[in-house]
Amino acid sequence: GENVEQHPSTLSVQEGDSAVIKCTYSDSASNYFPWYKQELGKGPQLIIDIRSNVGEKKDQRIAVTLNKTAKHFSLHITETQPEDSAVYFCAASRYNTDKLIFGTGTRLQVFP
Amino acid sequence: KAGVTQTPRYLIKTRGQQVTLSCSPISGHRSVSWYQQTPGQGLQFLFEYFSETQRNKGNFPGRFSGRQFSNSRSEMNVSTLELGDSALYLCASTDRGTTYGYTFGSGTRLTVV
Repeated sequence: GENVEQHPSTLSVQEGDSAVIKCTYSDSASNYFPWYKQELGKGPQLIIDIRSNVGEKKDQRIAVTLNKTAKHFSLHITETQPEDSAVYFCAASRYNTDKLIFGTGTRLQVFP
Repeated sequence: KAGVTQTPRYLIKTRGQQVTLSCSPISGHRSVSWYQQTPGQGLQFLFEYFSETQRNKGNFPGRFSGRQFSNSRSEMNVSTLELGDSALYLCASTDRGTTYGYTFGSGTRLTVV
């Protein structure tokens, strides 16, 4: 069935360092890949997304890359700040308003 | 504009009871989806409603149901509650034409005792 694997499950970095989270999906029909940030007591918040016709997308300190052949996509956060600390989820779907298949989440801790 | 509003924020129910959760989408959004979030299973899709019709359904038992009203507000119902139904239930809305995908609410934390 449809599955999204996400690694690592936890990630600790020093403030100012970069953080990378990787996901692999199984459904070859997937063509929309959003990333969500979830803070304690809140729902997931969309931080960036990418479609299969694009290999990379950047928004300030956040970038996402997609390798459709390998069915991999990754989130890159540069110059991390303590407020980046949260749980990050990758997801995949067949289009931007289809059901989302989520990864298992990565708890990112940024130490001052 | 206001985000996705879910009520109540917290609920405690007893096994065997039923529960109804409510979701008000962002104004203008006609599609509402529900997800269950648990530490063990993560975020799992329950169902989606668009224009008062269920468009898609996840792999949950029939005890889980939902509906959508003409103003796009949605409710989900869980009957004959089990301990394993304890979870954060998240609602997400989209206008189905945007490039921005789904916006999630803060969820309803359901505890079954």
